[in-house]
Amino acid sequence: EIVLTQSPGTLSLSPGERATLSCRASQSVSTSYLAWYQQKPGQAPRLLIYGASNRATAIPDRFSGGGSGTDFTLTISRLEPEDFAVYYCQHYGSSVLTFGGGTKVEIK
Amino acid sequence: VQLVESGGGVVRPGGSLRLSCAASGFTFDDHGMSWVRQAPGKGLEWVSGINWQGGSTGYVDSVKGRFTISRDNARNSLYLQMNSLRAEDTALYFCTRHPYANGYYYYMDVWGKGTTVTVSS
Repeated sequence: EIVLTQSPGTLSLSPGERATLSCRASQSVSTSYLAWYQQKPGQAPRLLIYGASNRATAIPDRFSGGGSGTDFTLTISRLEPEDFAVYYCQHYGSSVLTFGGGTKVEIK
Repeated sequence: VQLVESGGGVVRPGGSLRLSCAASGFTFDDHGMSWVRQAPGKGLEWVSGINWQGGSTGYVDSVKGRFTISRDNARNSLYLQMNSLRAEDTALYFCTRHPYANGYYYYMDVWGKGTTVTVSS
């Protein structure tokens, strides 16, 4: 089972700033089977990125994913007010799916 | 495209519950499905998944032997039978869709709003 570690736990930034979130896997993730989700309070998660770098339908291009092997990043190029939320990475491609612990992006 | 969960509630330790998920707006048997849970104030945990026909299923270790996932494609419905419930099973349970039919080994592209399960004496 692949364990995903997200950092930092909390990121305090201002609107308009760039956010870089990290997701590190305990072993290499084959074929970049990594996804990112956004969750706002009281809402279900929403798929942002799959295959490490592919934006899901209707996701703005200020969201981008990158990385390979064991190190992956989610970048929000310019934070909008609606982007302040918790972000989770997820590994797939095996019989057990795992999530990282999450990174909270809060308004500074 | 919509997933609507039901069946949550308050149950005593050792009790049982059956969660249901009604799917609409898409061809249900074109997709694998999973249940994901979130304990109060905590992160996401995948619980169980199933392929389009029910022939392939998987579970997180903590629920193996206690939970059973199933689906009824004629009713466009997904289920989770939960037995021998424990306090640590208390969570919001989300029904989720995978993009492909052949398994649950994928990301989740559609999520329901969830149903709450509370295990308490």
